Order: sequence, then structure tokens, then C-alpha cells
Amino acid sequence: ETGVTQTPRHLVMGMTNKKSLKCEQHLGHNAMYWYKQSAKKPLELMFVYSLEERVENNSVPSRFSPECPNSSHLFLHLHTLQPEDSALYLCASSQDLGGRLGEKLFFGSGTQLSVL
Amino acid sequence: RKEVEQDPGPFNVPEGATVAFNCTYSNSASQSFFWYRQDCRKEPKLLMSVYSSGNEDGRFTAQLNRASQYISLLIRDSKLSDSATYLCVVNKAGNNRKLIWGLGTSLAVNP
Repeated sequence: ETGVTQTPRHLVMGMTNKKSLKCEQHLGHNAMYWYKQSAKKPLELMFVYSLEERVENNSVPSRFSPECPNSSHLFLHLHTLQPEDSALYLCASSQDLGGRLGEKLFFGSGTQLSVL
Repeated sequence: RKEVEQDPGPFNVPEGATVAFNCTYSNSASQSFFWYRQDCRKEPKLLMSVYSSGNEDGRFTAQLNRASQYISLLIRDSKLSDSATYLCVVNKAGNNRKLIWGLGTSLAVNP
């Protein structure tokens, strides 16, 4: 039990579908993240939210749309994805953005996404 | 040159063996270093931080070599449960908020 829960665990979608990934953290943290992990590639940071405000967007295509309605919830809305978007999408949270961030990250179990 | 490089392996070792992984980083100004563990189809979890003076936690020892720009992870008396991918993580120089992740080194401990 990591304190960060993601749903769904697995998702298969066609290129014309619209779906959303959900992340909820129960740790009282102020920062939340979306990461993408593709096969044979390192973790890629997609978005960072701090106190519900997006503070980072790492050149992610517009077919990925994040939403952070409050500090406990984070969504990733997906539409018209491509097969190369198939990957493990990981949500993470941290108490804040400063200091030794590598010691503060807590990840959810991820959503394994397959785009057909 | 990649910012963080690891030998992807796999390293296949018998139970009880000692195994070591290295991770090189390109930016000499990097300040914080970490080892994460990721089991198959699971999320990464912090294994240990790497300090300038080294860090030991039970069977695990992490060291930093700034002169040669690499960090290492040593696992003694390997257990079957140590089988996982070990990810090297380095903060982006001058910005502790940005983490650069290695591709990971795969370890399989065999009975």
C-alpha cells in the first residue's frame, strides 16, 4: 500500500477513443506528477503540479491533457492516441518540490496502457 | 553521451553471490544521487540515497565517485527476492527538482 492509488491498472483503447487515468494520493502531499515509462526507455516526466497549479509541461503532445482539481487528485485525459503512446503511466506525489526530490517521491502502481 | 548510463544487463547470479552495478552521469555539477528498485510491472521504489561518504543499509552499499562521475550499488549475499531492475537517478545539475532516470540494470538471482 503506497498511499498513491491509480486506476485503472490496465487500459486498452483504440486510437479514436477518449479515456482518463485517475490518480489519488492519501499522503497529504502538495505536488503530483505524471511519468511515462516506455519499453527500453527511461522514465520521462510529463507534467508536474504543485498546489493544483501546473508548474511543468515537458513538451507533451496535446493529446495528453492533465487536470488537477485539488491537491489529492490528478487526472490524465487521453484522446486520439497513437500506438507509440502505449506505455506504463505512473503517477507520483511528493510533499513539496524542493530539496532532495529523489528521496521524497512516492509512486502509484501505474496504468499499463495499450493503444491499438 | 547520455546524461545517465547504466548497463542494462541482465545480470544472472546465484543466491549468495555478491553483485555490483555502476551508473555513470555526464554532468559534474549533479548533486543528488539515488538508487531505486523496480519489480516487474510494478512502480519504482526508493532503495537508498547515495551520499558523498557512501551509504550502507544491511546487504546494500552505495558509493559515489565524483572524480570519475559514477555511483555504484553493491549487493552482498544475494537473495531471490533481490531480483528486480535497479534504477539510477541523478538530479539535474543546479535544479534539485529535476531528476534524470537511468534505463535500469536488470538483476536475476537464481536458486
